[in-house]
Amino acid sequence: EAGVAQSPRYKIIEKRQSVAFWCNPISGHATLYWYQQILGQGPKLLIQFQNNGVVDDSQLPKDRFSAERLKGVDSTLKIQPAKLEDSAVYLCASGGAGRSTGELFFGEGSRLTVL
Amino acid sequence: KQEVTQIPAALSVPEGENLVLNCSFTDSAIYNLQWFRQDPGKGLTSLLLIQSSQREQTSGRLNASLDKSSGRSTLYIAASQPGDSATYLCAVRPDSNYQLIWGAGTKLIIKP
Repeated sequence: EAGVAQSPRYKIIEKRQSVAFWCNPISGHATLYWYQQILGQGPKLLIQFQNNGVVDDSQLPKDRFSAERLKGVDSTLKIQPAKLEDSAVYLCASGGAGRSTGELFFGEGSRLTVL
Repeated sequence: KQEVTQIPAALSVPEGENLVLNCSFTDSAIYNLQWFRQDPGKGLTSLLLIQSSQREQTSGRLNASLDKSSGRSTLYIAASQPGDSATYLCAVRPDSNYQLIWGAGTKLIIKP
């Protein structure tokens, strides 16, 4: 079974530029999450989708971050304009819904460096 | 408000030793608890998932226990190997529809 796919793995941009990350979850997983992980810290949830609807985006900085999951499968996370403090690893995770176990599976992450 | 704590933040042990990593949570009303491993520069790998009704789960040399009444989970690693070196994170799901609450992780170093 293929895991969660993310791209790009690494991205270096200058502040005020824009960047987009892509995630393809495990086939059949209804729930998709984007997390931000700063070095030495646990992951911070940015947004949670169930199918193509947003369940929780309370910690998403909506003035610069946006995310979509138009067809309920893959998802993109965009940052525009980027700030220095956005340097982090952006992790995508997927899981089942309803009567699933609630187990989460993560991709390899996309490491962003903002100069 | 649920809070998750992992102590110590870092641990270094000689190869071959059995060891225990700790995870504490403040609210015993949980849906499940999941242990993850993270290698430097990589994503998170799910190790073990313990449902609220379970006391422990085992996978190979790993055993995770859950004691809701005391707000604790432990991850036991038997016969540690240098390849076990990584950061181990635990995460609690308070409710089936709620986001995970994360600990900050324990960085484990196994010395050859």
